[in-house]
Amino acid sequence: DTGVSQDPRHKITKRGQNVTFRCDPISEHNRLYWYRQTLGQGPEFLTYFQNEAQLEKSRLLSDRFSAERPKGSFSTLEIQRTEQGDSAMYLCASSLKRGGVQGTPDTQYFGPGTRLTVL
Amino acid sequence: QKEVEQDPGPLSVPEGAIVSLNCTYSNSAFQYFMWYRQYSRKGPELLMYTYSSGNKEDGRFTAQVDKSSKYISLFIRDSQPSDSATYLCAIAGGTSYGKLTFGQGTILTVHP
Repeated sequence: DTGVSQDPRHKITKRGQNVTFRCDPISEHNRLYWYRQTLGQGPEFLTYFQNEAQLEKSRLLSDRFSAERPKGSFSTLEIQRTEQGDSAMYLCASSLKRGGVQGTPDTQYFGPGTRLTVL
Repeated sequence: QKEVEQDPGPLSVPEGAIVSLNCTYSNSAFQYFMWYRQYSRKGPELLMYTYSSGNKEDGRFTAQVDKSSKYISLFIRDSQPSDSATYLCAIAGGTSYGKLTFGQGTILTVHP
């Protein structure tokens, strides 16, 4: 257990419904990341936050996807009007970015993921 | 062409074997290289992190980076059944140090 928690662990929904996932990072971590992983593939980057600021978004993140981290602690990922192609594992990770250490990636600690099935 | 290519396997070896896992990448701007292990229905966990060419050893695991060939490897010595998992290479750098770009993952089974 890395200390990153995600809720729910599993979600089954019908096409066209909206879903929201939550991620609670390791408490002192200021960065939070979302990835999507489909069966037989590695995780694909979606977006990441430093504190409450969303610093980068992938082109994979269509306008049906929105992520927030309102107080710089937990984050939510919402998918509107779900499609069958959205079925995947949604992984959250967190890291501690230390001030003054520029240009180096942090160690990202992953949560257990939320498995989404769209019927 | 994918930025990171990894043979998905599956790879099946007997207990005690030396395992070699490999990835190639296309962008020489990538400077940081990681190996993650992912057990079934779990999130990935970091095994090794390196940023220079050469070898880095940690117990039974050795990570090797050849930047001139854009080739990274993970060696597992004295493999154990508990090593059975999916191994993911990940790279970072270039224009983004926040984002990790993962390979497809190699499924490894170590049988007793």
